[in-house]
Amino acid sequence: DIQMTQSPSSLSASVGDRVTITCRASQSISRYLNWYQQKPGKAPKVLMYAGASLQSGVPSRFSGSGSGTDFTLTISGLQPEDFATYYCQQSYTTLGTFGQGTKLEIK
Amino acid sequence: QVQLQESGPGLVKPSQTLSLTCTVSGGSISGGSYYWSWIRQPAGKGLEWIGRMYTSGSSNYNPSLKSRVTISADMSKNHFSLKLSSVTAADTAVYYCARWSYVILTMTSYYYMDVWGKGTTVTVSS
Repeated sequence: DIQMTQSPSSLSASVGDRVTITCRASQSISRYLNWYQQKPGKAPKVLMYAGASLQSGVPSRFSGSGSGTDFTLTISGLQPEDFATYYCQQSYTTLGTFGQGTKLEIK
Repeated sequence: QVQLQESGPGLVKPSQTLSLTCTVSGGSISGGSYYWSWIRQPAGKGLEWIGRMYTSGSSNYNPSLKSRVTISADMSKNHFSLKLSSVTAADTAVYYCARWSYVILTMTSYYYMDVWGKGTTVTVSS
């Protein structure tokens, strides 16, 4: 099974900051990597798919990069509504493994 | 636009079978090349992918749950269901249904979950 590891597990930042979250796969997954945002009490929402493609309606301050085993999600110019938990997920295999999540908190 | 809504008992006794339904509105479950899936999340923890099904009848399950899980669809009711047998307290979680959609980029299909239900809490307790 492919394991997905995110870092850091939690992160404190201020409005306007640029933050980067990393996701590493235990084996190459090409660009089969999705990013989701989840707010407390809500269902996850897809932000990025195929590693670097922005889902319709998602602000352009979100960007993704990477291929193979290493991926990043970057938020440029944090907004108050961006404080949430972020998950990566591989879709390379039929077992859609998620990373453990990164909680982004206000500093 | 397509919307999903989970429904089912909020309390299940240990050793019994958990049964949930996801009703699809705003679109047909049999229309398009979508997978329909279930994901769960224990309180304060991360997301766990349970499995998915295609309307052709094929399905894929998390190996850690495979012996206890069945995902199936009722096209006439435009819904799909999750059955998880022999439940224990470890199965207590918020259960989400979601649609796997896909996009084709450079002749490659990339799947992601673009529509989610709001989730339903299931507690396993006697």
